[in-house]
Amino acid sequence: AQSVAQPEDQVNVAEGNPLTVKCTYSVSGNPYLFWYVQYPNRGLQFLLKYITGDNLVKGSYGFEAEFNKSQTSFHLKKPSALVSDSALYFCAVSSTYGGATNKLIFGTGTLLAVQP
Amino acid sequence: DAGVIQSPRHEVTEMGQEVTLRCKPISGHDYLFWYRQTMMRGLELLIYFNNNVPIDDSGMPEDRFSAKMPNASFSTLKIQPSEPRDSAVYFCASSARPGNTIYFGEGSWLTVV
Repeated sequence: AQSVAQPEDQVNVAEGNPLTVKCTYSVSGNPYLFWYVQYPNRGLQFLLKYITGDNLVKGSYGFEAEFNKSQTSFHLKKPSALVSDSALYFCAVSSTYGGATNKLIFGTGTLLAVQP
Repeated sequence: DAGVIQSPRHEVTEMGQEVTLRCKPISGHDYLFWYRQTMMRGLELLIYFNNNVPIDDSGMPEDRFSAKMPNASFSTLKIQPSEPRDSAVYFCASSARPGNTIYFGEGSWLTVV
C-alpha cells in the first residue's frame, strides 16, 4: 500500500528566509510524486511533480523539490519565502507497481505561515 | 480549457435528503477522481474512473454513497440519505494518464444539518 507522511502540521518562517516543507513516502514500485497548494476556500493547485529524470524538480512560484530515493523523501523548498506563500501544502504519491495507476494518495497537509 | 467544473459550489441540506454533486472533467482526460476533504480525515480518495469505468471504489464510505460516469464529460456523486457526518468539501479531479498532472475543481462545499 502506498502512503505519504508530512511530519509537520505547521511550518513558520519569516519573509525572505528559505523554507522547507517535508514529505516522505512509501510505495511499491517507482513513485510518481506531486506537490499541491491549497489557498483558503479554494481547490488544490498543482505546483510540481517528479516522474523520472533529474532529482531536482522546479515548479510554479519559485518552488522546487528534491527527490531522494534512499531516504524516500520529496521535500518542498523555496529560497526566499513570501507572505503570499502562506497556504496549506500537500504532498501526494502514486506508483507504477502492478502497472501504472493513477491512484494519487495525499499526505495530511502542512500549513505554511510566512510572517512579514 | 475551463478546467474541472463542479456544481453546486455550496449546498446546505437537511439530514435524510438526497444530495447530488456534479462534475465535468477537462476535455480529453481519461481519468476522473472524487475526493473528500474534512478536518478530521484530510483528503480521501473515494472513487476513480478510467474511460468512464469505475476502477477503484474502495474509498466509498458506505452504501449511501454512489458515483456514476455516464459519459466522458460528466460524473455524479450521490449521497442518499445524507447525514451530518457527510459534511465536507467534495473535490472532483481529472487527468490524462498515469503520471500526468491531476487537476482539481474548486470543490462542492456540503453542509448537512
